[in-house]
This record gives sequence, C-alpha cells and structure tokens, in this order.
Amino acid sequence: EPEVTQTPSHQVTQMGQEVILRCVPISNHLYFYWYRQILGQKVEFLVSFYNNEISEKSEIFDDQFSVERPDGSNFTLKIRSTKLEDSAMYFCASSLLAAANNEQFFGPGTRLTVL
Amino acid sequence: KNEVEQSPQNLTAQEGEFITINCSYSVGISALHWLQQHPGGGIVSLFMLSSGKKKHGRLIATINIQEKHSSLHITASHPRDSAVYICAVSTNTDKLIFGTGTRLQVFP
Repeated sequence: EPEVTQTPSHQVTQMGQEVILRCVPISNHLYFYWYRQILGQKVEFLVSFYNNEISEKSEIFDDQFSVERPDGSNFTLKIRSTKLEDSAMYFCASSLLAAANNEQFFGPGTRLTVL
Repeated sequence: KNEVEQSPQNLTAQEGEFITINCSYSVGISALHWLQQHPGGGIVSLFMLSSGKKKHGRLIATINIQEKHSSLHITASHPRDSAVYICAVSTNTDKLIFGTGTRLQVFP
C-alpha cells in the first residue's frame, strides 16, 4: 500500500541552524501539507502546497519557513534559523484532491529538537 | 475558544467495553476526520465523513451536521486500541483544524 515517508525520523540541531525536513508524498497525490505538533499540544496546520505553489499558510509559517518540491517526488520544509520553540513533531501529509473533501495521508513524522 | 472540542480528554476502559468519544465543532465544515495517533507519534486516518454514519470493523463514526457533533464508537475494545484519537475538520480551505485528542487506554 502506498505511504507517505519522511526523513529523518529525528533531527537534533543547535539554535540558529538551518534544517530541512524531507517528505516523499504518495506518488499520484497533488496536494501536500506540513503540520506540526508541539509536545503535549494539538496538531497545527503550517502550510498547504498545490501546483508548485503555496495555497494556504498559517500565521505560524513566517519568513523563517519555506517549502519546496524540488524534483517532482520530494516535498521539503526548511526552517532557516531554528528557535527553541520550533522543537516539535513535524508531519507531512498528502491528498489526491483538495483537503476539503478528501482524505489526507500522513507520514510518520520527524521529531525536531532544537538545543 | 477552540473550533474543535473533544471529550473526554482521557478515557480508561476494560477490554471488551463499548467506548464513545465525542467531538463538537463551531465552524462550517465540508468534512470531519477521525484520526488515530499511536505512542510513536504516527497519525493514521480512520474515517472521513460529511453526513450519516460509517463503519469499519469495530469502529463506527457518526456525524450530526445540524448539531455540529460527531461521535467515534469502538465496540469490544481491545488493548491494541490504546492510542490518542483525534477529531479534525476541513472547511472550505485546504487545512485541517484539529481537536486536542482523546487519550484512550484499554486494559486487559
């Protein structure tokens, strides 16, 4: 069964460093998403991506964040200068059609720890 | 106020018990999702529904659009059902809005 994959599973970085979280969505899916979950809190939407551009972003997704689909299979989330409060579990998801009426498939997550 | 509220926050059950988790929402939705999050953190989609009722194995999800309420039922619960169950809604945009989750523990 096709699945969303994410690498790495755990990333430890120093404050101020850049990190890139990688995702491989399900191959025929068209919509891609990043969510984050701070430990003990609910999952929060970061950004959605369709047709090679951001379709929606939350207020969390400031200038420190960027997303890219560099090669037609990978979907990346970059944090330019990490802060302590960026420590969280980051989930990638994909869906065949827009989320409004379509199931999203989630990756296993990347746990980011900023020291 | 949270747009998606779940109750209870924590639930403990004995194996075999019938379990109900509730979700209320305050926004207009196009669909409601029930998700399962295991201790390792991974999230699995259980149901997506916009009306009526869906059943998959021992899991049943219902939604009442007029009352803005959904329930997830687990029949004949088992220790392997222990997880966090999350209600999320999609509106007319791309994002999902999540509830805080219900932590379920089923003991043998």
